[in-house]
Amino acid sequence: QLHLQESGPRLVKPSETLSLTCTVSPDSISSDDYYWGWIRQPPGQGLEWIGSIFHRGKTYYTASLASRVTISVDTSNNQFSLRLTSVSAADTALYYCVRRDFGYTLRFWGQGLWVTVSS
Amino acid sequence: DIQMTQSPSSLSASVGDRVTIVCRASQPISRSLNWYQQKPGTAPKLLIHRASTLESGVPSRFSGSGSVTEFTLTISGLQPEDFATYYCQQSYSSTSFGGGTKVEI
Repeated sequence: QLHLQESGPRLVKPSETLSLTCTVSPDSISSDDYYWGWIRQPPGQGLEWIGSIFHRGKTYYTASLASRVTISVDTSNNQFSLRLTSVSAADTALYYCVRRDFGYTLRFWGQGLWVTVSS
Repeated sequence: DIQMTQSPSSLSASVGDRVTIVCRASQPISRSLNWYQQKPGTAPKLLIHRASTLESGVPSRFSGSGSVTEFTLTISGLQPEDFATYYCQQSYSSTSFGGGTKVEI
């Protein structure tokens, strides 16, 4: 069974950069069949797609966050990462990493990581 | 961007009830619509993809229908474990989610 695990700081100061990593096991992140993505869920709210990456490096970002988001992949460690710059309280959320099928079907999710933006 | 609107945002139901949740797209999306179930403290779980295809292992009391701009998720015979929040997701143009429907007792 595929397993995804988010990791990273749970507290980030306003205006700083949020950085999270997702470790994938046991399958290889280098599969040509899937993308790898990030979704977030603010407290008490719904789901917001952030973006995704293919193992060869092709990325897709949601328009509202594109100016602040970078998703990267590290195939040697079977990981992919999220970087969100200039964060504010509005970026406080539960961040999930996911495996994205080509049709954006999301069958596998990490357990989620709460990130709070606060001074 | 394609906006997804779910209704109702919440509903009260009893065990054994038939429950219907509606999801509308702001523009035609063919049958590029998925449904997820999220229980408190857990990640969403895929229930239905391509509007009506039941994911493996999902009970047959869950069904999906619709196309173009209007879709429904039906739970026939609500069970205690079905009390959760349900989200629709369009996958026609990038992706976006509905606001969710909380099914409560």
